[in-house]
Amino acid sequence: DTAVSQTPKYLVTQMGNDKSIKCEQNLGHDTMYWYKQDSKKFLKIMFSYNNKELIINETVPNRFSPKSPDKAHLNLHINSLELGDSAVYFCASSSRVNEQFFGPGTRLTVL
Amino acid sequence: SQQGEEDPQALSIQEGENATMNCSYKTSINNLQWYRQNSGRGLVHLILIRSNEREKHSGRLRVTLDTSKKSSSLLITASRAADTASYFCATDDNDMRFGAGTRLTVKP
Repeated sequence: DTAVSQTPKYLVTQMGNDKSIKCEQNLGHDTMYWYKQDSKKFLKIMFSYNNKELIINETVPNRFSPKSPDKAHLNLHINSLELGDSAVYFCASSSRVNEQFFGPGTRLTVL
Repeated sequence: SQQGEEDPQALSIQEGENATMNCSYKTSINNLQWYRQNSGRGLVHLILIRSNEREKHSGRLRVTLDTSKKSSSLLITASRAADTASYFCATDDNDMRFGAGTRLTVKP
C-alpha cells in the first residue's frame, strides 16, 4: 500500500510555464510538508500544513503556492518556472510524534 | 532555522565492517531523527531519539545523542551492501531540518 504518493515522478518543462505537483497520503496524518532537495542533496522545508491550515511558510518565492483541498492532499503549484527551480521536491506527512513519512520525490527539470 | 550537519560527507567500507556517522546541530531540539535515502528513491525513517534519551537501538542500528555537545552518532554494525545509501539526520525544534547527508558505500 502506498503511504505517501507524489505525481508526477518526473517533470520536464520550459521556463515561464506553470506546473503543479500533487501529493496524497493515506496514513491519516494531520500534517503534511513540502521539501526541496537541491543538487547537493540538502533538504530544505518549504511549507507545512496541519489540518489544511498553513503553519510553516519558509522564505520561498511567492511563485510557489501550496494548496490543501483536504487533510490527505497537499499540492504544490509553481508559477513562472525558473531554471533555479530545478530540483527534487519531496512531500511528507507526519503524525503528532513528528516521525515523517516521505513520498518518492518529484524530479523537476526546467529548461 | 537550524539543520543537522552530517560528518563525514562520504564513507566507504567493506561489508561486515561497522559504519559510524555523526551529526551536529546548533540549538535546542525536541528530537533527532535519522533517515536513509537510496539512490533515486524517497527518504526512509530509521530511528528517532528524543532529547531526554542518550542511546537507542534498532536492529543493527545504534544511535547516541549528546545534547551537551549538540551531536548525535549513527552506528551501523556488520554492514551489508544493501546499506549503501545516503543517511540524513534531521532535528526537530517544531519543524524539521535536514543536513546534506553522508553517502555510505558498502563494498561486497
